[in-house]
Amino acid sequence: GAGVSQSPSNKVTEKGKDVELRCDPISGHTALYWYRQSLGQGLEFLIYFQGNSAPDKSGLPSDRFSAERTGGSVSTLTIQRTQQEDSAVYLCASSLTRQGALGSPLHFGNGTRLTVT
Amino acid sequence: DQQVKQNSPSLSVQEGRISILNCDYTNSMFDYFLWYKKYPAEGPTFLISISSIKDKNEDGRFTVFLNKSAKHLSLHIVPSQPGDSAVYFCAASARSSGSARQLTFGSGTQLTVLP
Repeated sequence: GAGVSQSPSNKVTEKGKDVELRCDPISGHTALYWYRQSLGQGLEFLIYFQGNSAPDKSGLPSDRFSAERTGGSVSTLTIQRTQQEDSAVYLCASSLTRQGALGSPLHFGNGTRLTVT
Repeated sequence: DQQVKQNSPSLSVQEGRISILNCDYTNSMFDYFLWYKKYPAEGPTFLISISSIKDKNEDGRFTVFLNKSAKHLSLHIVPSQPGDSAVYFCAASARSSGSARQLTFGSGTQLTVLP
């Protein structure tokens, strides 16, 4: 399909283990975002990639969280030593240009539901 | 500190009637507002947006109203259809230094349109 693809769709892990979440953005989209949605909460910004610029990591909740984007396309969000409070739906989004430019809304994937037991 | 607030977690409306979803914000620097719609097990999808230079934007059955002095926006859906049943997120962004604009989302309102 032509949309944003995320894998896995569901992930159950034990507390203390590391997890990797993958995002494949829409081809040609230069901006890529990670958000998460905890139960009953709105979407929380985590990190933003724009082209070859240094990522905006201001939303990452702790140093256990990191993300990279290889070749300006696929992105991986890594959570080390997972905790129960990390349980959430992790959403990836891409846009044609920098978010906020009029006419360039975010296109979201279906998310990865992470459950830390 | 929630900068974007959707105070109604849920709303039920009869099919054919108007649905009004409300959103309040506190950051006066916000100048671009969007509504997203989310079905279960899917990511949010963009619905409609409005720039702060406007007070109304219409797209088919969907109209967004912006009241800057009250820091309030609303989404009107008329006539409402059962397929409109979903969670609606309000989002806002501010022009900031650098190339990035971050969207700040509200917590969402679950709309149920009853047949």
